[in-house]
Amino acid sequence: DAGITQSPRHKVTETGTPVTLRCHQTENHRYMYWYRQDPGHGLRLIHYSYGVKDTDKGEVSDGYSVSRSKTEDFLLTLESATSSQTSVYFCAISDGATGGYTFGSGTRLTVV
Amino acid sequence: AQRVTQPEKLLSVFKGAPVELKCNYSYSGSPELFWYVQYSRQRLQLLLRHISRESIKGFTADLNKGETSFHLKKPFAQEEDSAMYYCALSEGVQGAQKLVFGQGTRLTINP
Repeated sequence: DAGITQSPRHKVTETGTPVTLRCHQTENHRYMYWYRQDPGHGLRLIHYSYGVKDTDKGEVSDGYSVSRSKTEDFLLTLESATSSQTSVYFCAISDGATGGYTFGSGTRLTVV
Repeated sequence: AQRVTQPEKLLSVFKGAPVELKCNYSYSGSPELFWYVQYSRQRLQLLLRHISRESIKGFTADLNKGETSFHLKKPFAQEEDSAMYYCALSEGVQGAQKLVFGQGTRLTINP
């Protein structure tokens, strides 16, 4: 068990609907990140968090919001999903000391 | 801006042949670099980091600041090495280090 889980694993939604993805960790790590993975682009940072209620934008934050009300949970919300947000979303955690991340298994989101 | 470039989207080699996955970076400070691997249907996992200078699964990578490169090498490829490989650079001070990833290279080892 890697200590980090994402839900749901797969989701199909319609354009214009709100969607929330959840990342849950049991490692008590301070830092949490949301990335999207797209062919030809690798992984791009959407938002990250450096503590409860402390979040900041990443490279591709437009159309996304996040919340972190507890250390263990980091939520990613698409307020109004668009087809360009069809992607695989990865959550990652870090203790900030080693410099490496532990990744979740990913959520495959399809917006139709 | 910090940038990581992996020039090869696809790389195919035969089992037993040497493998080199290229990674170049641009960074104004002292870089901290990583290689991550994603096997089929598995999550991304850390393969190695330049600071530890370790060898994992026979892979090594040397940071060349003059050429701004961090190429991943293995002398004898194995079929189980087939995977997606990402080079990443850590930006930010200790703590909320954000990783900037390259586009990835899909490595296929042919029997």
